[in-house]
Amino acid sequence: QLVLNQSPSASASLGASVKLTCSLSSGHSSNAIVWHQRQPEKGPRYLMKVNSDGRHSKGDGIPDRFSGSSSGAERHLIISSLQSEDEADYYCQAWGAGIWVFGGGTKLTVL
Amino acid sequence: EVQLVESGGVVVQPGGSLRLSCTASGFTFDDYAFHWVRLSAGKGLEWVALISWDGDTTHYTDSVKGRFTISRDNSKNSLYLEMSSLRTEDTALYYCAKDTYSDGFFIDYWGQGTLVTVSS
Repeated sequence: QLVLNQSPSASASLGASVKLTCSLSSGHSSNAIVWHQRQPEKGPRYLMKVNSDGRHSKGDGIPDRFSGSSSGAERHLIISSLQSEDEADYYCQAWGAGIWVFGGGTKLTVL
Repeated sequence: EVQLVESGGVVVQPGGSLRLSCTASGFTFDDYAFHWVRLSAGKGLEWVALISWDGDTTHYTDSVKGRFTISRDNSKNSLYLEMSSLRTEDTALYYCAKDTYSDGFFIDYWGQGTLVTVSS
């Protein structure tokens, strides 16, 4: 069964970097995933697709501060030079065999 | 510019029915599959349903199978979600989302959402 695990919360200081992690369930370690951001009171926004080899492709207008990487069954979203507007919920998403699955989301607080 | 605008969210009693709509612009509508995704208070995003570019293929999450129907009208650049036998746990903000591919791959654009409240 395809399941994505994310830590419920993360925090980092303004101007610092943070790495968010999405872990794929057993048997799905080669799946690509995508990251979405949901800022307060806004619709979600697609950030990027991250492949198992770490290659990533970003959505329209996504700043260079956002990047992705992979390690085994983990897919990462790295945000550098944190800004106040990065405070948001971040969700990973995967798909396969007629289902689409979201992780539980990570609430990022910018201190 | 890609735009997705949902409508139709209201307060409805348990057991009731509702139809959500999503109007798209800024791209060739019938080139892509579409999703409905919901966000409940205190919970995360939950995928609800997908429809392929031509409407021939649909998929649903287990909790809505037999109660919800996703459909589209390519002549009107519109996506729909017919909801029946509504339950309190269906209360959520419902998003229309565009896929990157014709038969379903991953989401690359989202709407702003429409709120459905199921309550007596």
